[in-house]
Amino acid sequence: QKEVEQNSGPLSVPEGAIASLNCTYSDRGSQSFFWYRQYSGKSPELIMFIYSNGDKEDGRFTAQLNKASQYVSLLIRDSQPSDSATYLCAVNPGGGADGLTFGKGTHLIIQP
Amino acid sequence: NAGVTQTPKFQVLKTGQSMTLQCAQDMNHNSMYWYRQDPGMGLRLIYYSASEGTTDKGEVPNGYNVSRLNKREFSLRLESAAPSQTSVYFCASSGVVYTEAFFGQGTRLTVV
Repeated sequence: QKEVEQNSGPLSVPEGAIASLNCTYSDRGSQSFFWYRQYSGKSPELIMFIYSNGDKEDGRFTAQLNKASQYVSLLIRDSQPSDSATYLCAVNPGGGADGLTFGKGTHLIIQP
Repeated sequence: NAGVTQTPKFQVLKTGQSMTLQCAQDMNHNSMYWYRQDPGMGLRLIYYSASEGTTDKGEVPNGYNVSRLNKREFSLRLESAAPSQTSVYFCASSGVVYTEAFFGQGTRLTVV
């Protein structure tokens, strides 16, 4: 069973601080990794994807991948109240078109 | 550019009734997916279509059928709805090179 694990939270972070979201996955052969943001009652929205070990930055967001440790993380700098949402980690185990495996999500709350 | 469009947005069914959820994408993507999202369970793959003319079972296919009508459209059918199928259903599509999934707005289905 290919699994993606996330702490469900809630994770509470003060406005302006760095929010750190973590994810582990079980399939060592996984090729690509994604972070989605989902507001309550809305559909998941892609924030970032990462394929290679290391860091990938996009604005206030940084995705980090460590394939040896089977660990993916998302950092949100200068957190804003609008960042309050559930963040879903997703993995494409085979790198093909047979769908993503999702974690259950981490509920992030940014406190003004 | 609408992206991924699902209909209907809301539906209430009685146990034993049938219905079809419609999904269309205008991003010229090869692959399309149906997921369901339940509280505490995360997003789970029901069926997918890696390319036009092919469909395959995902993690939770029982009670569902799908049709890939053409490259744009992928429908999900519930032949005899059960209360356990009460859920939010998301259709998604993805390209070939980059396999991130783009989601429709969801269908909130209640079976009573």
